[in-house]
Amino acid sequence: DTAVSQTPKYLVTQMGNDKSIKCEQNLGHDTMYWYKQDSKKFLKIMFSYNNKELIINETVPNRFSPKSPDKAHLNLHINSLELGDSAVYFCASSQDLRGTLNTEAFFGQGTRLTVV
Amino acid sequence: GNSVTQMEGPVTLSEEAFLTINCTYTATGYPSLFWYVQYPGEGLQLLLKATKADDKGSNKGFEATYRKETTSFHLEKGSVQVSDSAVYFCALSDGNYGQNFVFGPGTRLSVLP
Repeated sequence: DTAVSQTPKYLVTQMGNDKSIKCEQNLGHDTMYWYKQDSKKFLKIMFSYNNKELIINETVPNRFSPKSPDKAHLNLHINSLELGDSAVYFCASSQDLRGTLNTEAFFGQGTRLTVV
Repeated sequence: GNSVTQMEGPVTLSEEAFLTINCTYTATGYPSLFWYVQYPGEGLQLLLKATKADDKGSNKGFEATYRKETTSFHLEKGSVQVSDSAVYFCALSDGNYGQNFVFGPGTRLSVLP
């Protein structure tokens, strides 16, 4: 049983296309995230959702739009793909336990996006 | 805002050598601290964590102690193995609503036989 699963694992597409990456977690967590990892392995938060509500929306192009149909899913849609969007995108989830810090983030296996 | 700084490496060691990867943080309040490990082609896995000052997290021979006075969470292992070769990320979480996990830049470790 995969805790956080994202699909596809690899995505190769041409500039200008629109694509989506799907993420699902079966941990019952309240909060889900999208991170972008660049070629130097640097991880940057893009979005976080808590119970389907957008909490963090870092400075990313508005071509990136997250969608959370329910608290177990957080999909990432990207319009008009550009070469610079090539990266590995990680979905993650954590339990929102305000009042306690005893929680960690669980990560998916990543989606390697290559824009050609 | 919150931030994490760690030695970027790469770090290359011989098998059975002692490992230290330094990590310092800047945060308001009292964050939780984590070390994650990323093996080639995989996602991040939690290695260990500490949630309050002086806590020591440990797992698989790795240890790190939450030092509030020096705002540090250095990772150590007494004897590394080839299988420890990976990228290691120090991270913090402020535990607020929709908590944000902030990661350091990662340290690539290569262990040679």
